[in-house]
Amino acid sequence: DSGVTQTPKHLITATGQRVTLRCSPRSGDLSVYWYQQSLDQGLQFLIQYYNGEERAKGNILERFSAQQFPDLHSELNLSSLELGDSALYFCASSVGQGEEQPQHFGDGTRLSIL
Amino acid sequence: ILNVEQSPQSLHVQEGDSTNFTCSFPSSNFYALHWYRWETAKSPEALFVMTLNGDEKKKGRISATLNTKEGYSYLYIKGSQPEDSATYLCAFTGGTSGSARQLTFGSGTQLTVLP
Repeated sequence: DSGVTQTPKHLITATGQRVTLRCSPRSGDLSVYWYQQSLDQGLQFLIQYYNGEERAKGNILERFSAQQFPDLHSELNLSSLELGDSALYFCASSVGQGEEQPQHFGDGTRLSIL
Repeated sequence: ILNVEQSPQSLHVQEGDSTNFTCSFPSSNFYALHWYRWETAKSPEALFVMTLNGDEKKKGRISATLNTKEGYSYLYIKGSQPEDSATYLCAFTGGTSGSARQLTFGSGTQLTVLP
């Protein structure tokens, strides 16, 4: 158990809809990262928050947004969903903001768009 | 776009065999190299983070080396056991200051250890 909690585990919805994925980091971790793993692709970095502030942005679509709240949990919002958004979305956390620290991954949310 | 290559893509070994696989990454503007172990139906688990050229890290039967000048890292497993079966991912961070803040993952090496 990594200590990172993601909800829900599975989500099935239709094209055009909007969903919110939630992540609670490991106790004491200030950074939260979001990753997407689509079929036949590796983990793709989406965005990082550190102590409530956006720190780094990867290949995140404009239809996607995220935030980190004062209690350090984070939410990833996906809107105007398309079939291609079906993927496994992982949240990870680390103590600080540096990339020299290991990241601890949640179990992921599997999003299926019908 | 940073290219992180892992080889081989998959590997089958017999229990007790030692094995190793490779992660190649850009040799310029290196910052850190991560190794993760990802078992089926679980989440990736951090094995090592390496930052210095020549670094060598060990965790039980698993060890890793780093060569930042030529842009590669090796992961070794000594005396493989069936419970070592997993996908091993490496992730690189580096580049210019704007891109130094994210991990770029390889596609992984899928290891199967046969009893």
